[in-house]
Amino acid sequence: EVQLLESGGGLVQPGGSLRLSCVAFGFTFTNYAMTWVRQAPGKGLEWVSTLSGSGATIYYAESVKGRFTISRDNSKNTLYLQMNSLRAEDTAVYYCAHFGSDSFDIWGQGTMVTVS
Amino acid sequence: SSEVTQDPTVSVALGQTVRITCQGDSLRSYYANWYQQKPGQAPVLVIYGKNNRPSGIPDRFSGSSSGNTASLTITGAQAEDEADYYCNSRDSSGNPWVFGGGTKLTVL
Repeated sequence: EVQLLESGGGLVQPGGSLRLSCVAFGFTFTNYAMTWVRQAPGKGLEWVSTLSGSGATIYYAESVKGRFTISRDNSKNTLYLQMNSLRAEDTAVYYCAHFGSDSFDIWGQGTMVTVS
Repeated sequence: SSEVTQDPTVSVALGQTVRITCQGDSLRSYYANWYQQKPGQAPVLVIYGKNNRPSGIPDRFSGSSSGNTASLTITGAQAEDEADYYCNSRDSSGNPWVFGGGTKLTVL
């Protein structure tokens, strides 16, 4: 069964850092791009960052560019999101998602990040 | 930057047909994908590409597109379809991908 499991969320002060992880199960991890999407409390979905399977191609939303770094360890089937210089507006549930058929076709359960 | 917009709320009577729309310039070039999200749960992909349903998604869900508007149609809405629905597509300007603001569907 394909599954994504995020971890690493928590409470952090403004200006602080946090690293999220997403472990993948049930598919050949290195063959697929992976994405982070976030959702602020009571708000809609916001695309954050996408990383190709090889790690060679990276995209960031303008709202996080220069502060967040996406990476992956294909030997561990794990996707990461290093978040620095955190702001109150970064408070959200962060989801990792598998990118397939030009869509975000499989989602993890999310991990909550609170900046306060 | 480009964006796609959705009506914030839509309602439908049980068993009737409802259309949820998404508008934006990017939809003239790219298909929309549709996600269903129930309270406290992660989003689930229900329609992708021209009109494709992932395994396990009921065939009452369908997608279509015309000009700058993409639509998700639920034919014979069920109580369990009450949820938030988000469209998303690639974007030709600004961020590579964009989400609509979401539509809260109420089944009466």
